[in-house]
Amino acid sequence: GAVVSQHPSRVICKSGTSVKIECRSLDFQATTMFWYRQFPKKSLMLMATSNEGSKATYEQGVEKDKFLINHASLTLSTLTVTSAHPEDSSFYICSAWNSAEVHEQFFGPGTRLTVL
Amino acid sequence: GNSVTQMEGPVTLSEEAFLTINCTYTATGYPSLFWYVQYPGEGLQLLLKATKADDKGSNKGFEATYRKETTSFHLEKGSVQVSDSAVYFCALSDWGGSEKLVFGKGMKLTVNP
Repeated sequence: GAVVSQHPSRVICKSGTSVKIECRSLDFQATTMFWYRQFPKKSLMLMATSNEGSKATYEQGVEKDKFLINHASLTLSTLTVTSAHPEDSSFYICSAWNSAEVHEQFFGPGTRLTVL
Repeated sequence: GNSVTQMEGPVTLSEEAFLTINCTYTATGYPSLFWYVQYPGEGLQLLLKATKADDKGSNKGFEATYRKETTSFHLEKGSVQVSDSAVYFCALSDWGGSEKLVFGKGMKLTVNP
């Protein structure tokens, strides 16, 4: 299957700082990327849907000003957690999908964010 | 809204044991159903899927049948291997797997030799 990478795999930051997480589709063009958040012993919760060249669509309850998503190219989407707080500590996972080719989402390995 | 309920575990089995992971769903429409697997240190991978009632998805010895009457999509494997140790997620989407996925909580399986 197609490969999706995330960078960094782990990040530790101080409260109040911003953190950027990158999601890249390595061998295909992703018209859509999804960002998920996973709490311990919880399922993956969809945060937002990101379409290349347009604004992201956020799920109910997700603060768009806190979780900035940019999908500037067909192979890269970024999630920026602004003014991070300890409650933002979580595992963030992206997936990528190309509607014209394969009707399957391909997932990145995830990024563990710890806010001190 | 749509939701997925699955066994949470963790579950530990011996090699060659029979595996069943229960999954039930609620959906407003006619969803597609999926099982994803996450091996240690890796991203989620699609294990199998079914898009309509009575469809059976199968892959790597795993099977699951879309049961509309019981709103279930239980995962089974007749003889597990150590390499099957992973976290298994049941999921649904409203259409074709390309729309939003709703996941169960995941179940960690450990298979001992």
